[in-house]
Amino acid sequence: DTEVTQTPKHLVMGMTNKKSLKCEQHMGHRAMYWYKQKAKKPPELMFVYSYEKLSINESVPSRFSPECPNSSLLNLHLHALQPEDSALYLCASSQSGTSGTDTQYFGPGTRLTVL
Amino acid sequence: AQKVTQAQTEISVVEKEDVTLDCVYETRDTTYYLFWYKQPPSGELVFLIRRNSFDEQNEISGRYSWNFQKSTSSFNFTITASQVVDSAVYFCALSEADYGQNFVFGPGTRLSVLP
Repeated sequence: DTEVTQTPKHLVMGMTNKKSLKCEQHMGHRAMYWYKQKAKKPPELMFVYSYEKLSINESVPSRFSPECPNSSLLNLHLHALQPEDSALYLCASSQSGTSGTDTQYFGPGTRLTVL
Repeated sequence: AQKVTQAQTEISVVEKEDVTLDCVYETRDTTYYLFWYKQPPSGELVFLIRRNSFDEQNEISGRYSWNFQKSTSSFNFTITASQVVDSAVYFCALSEADYGQNFVFGPGTRLSVLP
């Protein structure tokens, strides 16, 4: 089973709202990732968690706040977003918490629209 | 610096035609991994293949085949007897062993298979 689940599938929020994206995997993977994907572009890495600790933050604005409550869950808290933050947000996981070359398995994504 | 090029932005073929998607990469590392992912309109990135830099054997999986040539830094993907369900964006990605948990994605190739 290589399933990564994400909720919600779609989210519309105003610039003053606070919302959260959720990602879950039960494959025993030790690394989890958040990506942002704009239309007709490849995914861009935002954050990486290894063994539940933040290991990579690709200079993401503080209005995006990741959280890894346990090894199976990954959240992305959103606050005071801008319309240009509208995108598909993808979560992924990989087996090793230390190797960068493991296969990443992706969830279906959350399509976010900021009004 | 790592770099992945997919020169074909969009390809259209008629069902049952064979189609090859090109991927050219740049890396200074001797140990690296190459990946192909499929992204259908639903948005989820579906893993297709992972190949390490020491294994140049070509691979076939059903209608899919991959040609890895280190001499030309290419990892091309061929779909034989294409079907409408193959319509998607295909991403080639590179990961270096010493670079941590970061994939470099190519810009993607949008494949349309017409009935």
